[in-house]
Amino acid sequence: NAGVTQTPKFQVLKTGQSMTLQCAQDMNHEYMSWYRQDPGMGLRLIHYSVGAGITDQGEVPNGYNVSRSTTEDFPLRLLSAAPSQTSVYFCASSYSGLRGSMNTEAFFGQGTRLTVV
Amino acid sequence: AQSVTQLGSHVSVSEGALVLLRCNYSSSVPPYLFWYVQYPNQGLQLLLKYTSAATLVKGINGFEAEFKKSETSFHLTKPSAHMSDAAEYFCAVSDVGSQGNLIFGKGTKLSVKP
Repeated sequence: NAGVTQTPKFQVLKTGQSMTLQCAQDMNHEYMSWYRQDPGMGLRLIHYSVGAGITDQGEVPNGYNVSRSTTEDFPLRLLSAAPSQTSVYFCASSYSGLRGSMNTEAFFGQGTRLTVV
Repeated sequence: AQSVTQLGSHVSVSEGALVLLRCNYSSSVPPYLFWYVQYPNQGLQLLLKYTSAATLVKGINGFEAEFKKSETSFHLTKPSAHMSDAAEYFCAVSDVGSQGNLIFGKGTKLSVKP
């Protein structure tokens, strides 16, 4: 039972480079989201999706793009990496979303540690 | 906008002592409330959740939390700390109408001394 899988686990980028963080879930969850975790800041929502073809911005969306072409996958794209994007990124999924159920458990991936130099 | 406050970024207890991690939320309408735990270099794992069925919620690993509407609080407790409880703990809320988005507190790092 894989759950939520994130790749890569570690990445170092140079300023201005682009990359895609991958996230896949095998639980048929409608809702998927991306958070970034910075020391002393908790987790902050970047983008989220309540179903295939539907995405929306969270609290800190600038510098990131997402798309949701399938239920399983929710990639996060950095178009031009900046040192301020050095962080640990977590993908999460749950049953909530279009069904409107907000009290279901969110399942998290193991995280991607990104360093931008 | 909804916010979550966790009092104390670091809490240190002795093994066998009571663990108390504090969480307060800002909404006047009781939201859905969660506690997550993060062990070093890992993702977040659900400890317990409040969904209005009962004010005292029991979770995994001996943790429990009590929802107090009058105090807008959802503090996490464990009667006797184990070394394995050392981790970072996050309180989170999900508002009605938020479509599942979680708002996290800044986290409390729990240390357990032998």
